[in-house]
Amino acid sequence: AQTVTQSQPEMSVQEAETVTLSCTYDTSESDYYLFWYKQPPSRQMILVIRQEAYKQQNATENRFSVNFQKAAKSFSLKISDSQLGDAAMYFCAYRSGNSGGSNYKLTFGKGTLLTVNP
Amino acid sequence: DTEVTQTPKHLVMGMTNKKSLKCEQHMGHRAMYWYKQKAKKPPELMFVYSYEKLSINESVPSRFSPECPNSSLLNLHLHALQPEDSALYLCASSQDVANPSYEQYFGPGTRLTVT
Repeated sequence: AQTVTQSQPEMSVQEAETVTLSCTYDTSESDYYLFWYKQPPSRQMILVIRQEAYKQQNATENRFSVNFQKAAKSFSLKISDSQLGDAAMYFCAYRSGNSGGSNYKLTFGKGTLLTVNP
Repeated sequence: DTEVTQTPKHLVMGMTNKKSLKCEQHMGHRAMYWYKQKAKKPPELMFVYSYEKLSINESVPSRFSPECPNSSLLNLHLHALQPEDSALYLCASSQDVANPSYEQYFGPGTRLTVT
C-alpha cells in the first residue's frame, strides 16, 4: 500500500518570504500522480498543483512550484512571495496511475498547517 | 463553473434522528465521492459513485447510506449516528473515476455534530 508522509505538522513564514513544505511517499508503482491540496480555515479543499510521475519537469503554478525527486520519492511544495491568504492546512496526496485496483483513491498525508505572519 | 455545493453547512442531530446531507455539481462529472474529515486530520474516503452507481464502499457502517438520484446530485442519509461520527463531511466530484489524472473538486463540507 502507498503511504504519504508530511514530516512538518506546522510551519510558519513571514509575508513575502519563501517557504517549502516537505512530502515523501512510498510506492512500488511507476505510474502515479501527486497533488498538493490547500484547505483554508473556510474548509474548502482546493487543488494547488499536481505532478505526473512520468514528467521530469517540475510543475509550477504562479507562486507555487514543486521539487519532484522521483528516485528519492520526494515531492516538496515551494511557496514564493507568501501572502496572508496562503495560510491554510496543506495536504500532499498520491493517486495510483494503474488501471483497476485502487487508482480511484487519493492517499493523503497528515497535513502541514502553514501560518503566514504579517 | 467548477463548483461543488453542499447543504447544509452545519447540522446538529441527536442519535435517534434521521437526516440527510446533499451535494450538487453541474460540471458534468460522472464520479462523485463522500469523505469524512476529523479535526486536523486528512479526509478519509467513504463512498465512490461512478455513473450514478455505487462503486466503492470503504467499509462504512450502515448508519451511513449514500444515494445518487441523478448525475448531478449525491446524498448521504444519516440514521442512528454516534457522537464519534461528528466530523466535517466533504463531497467531491471528478470527470471520471477511472482516470487518475482528473482532478477532484471538493465542496465546502457539512459540519456535523451528533449529540
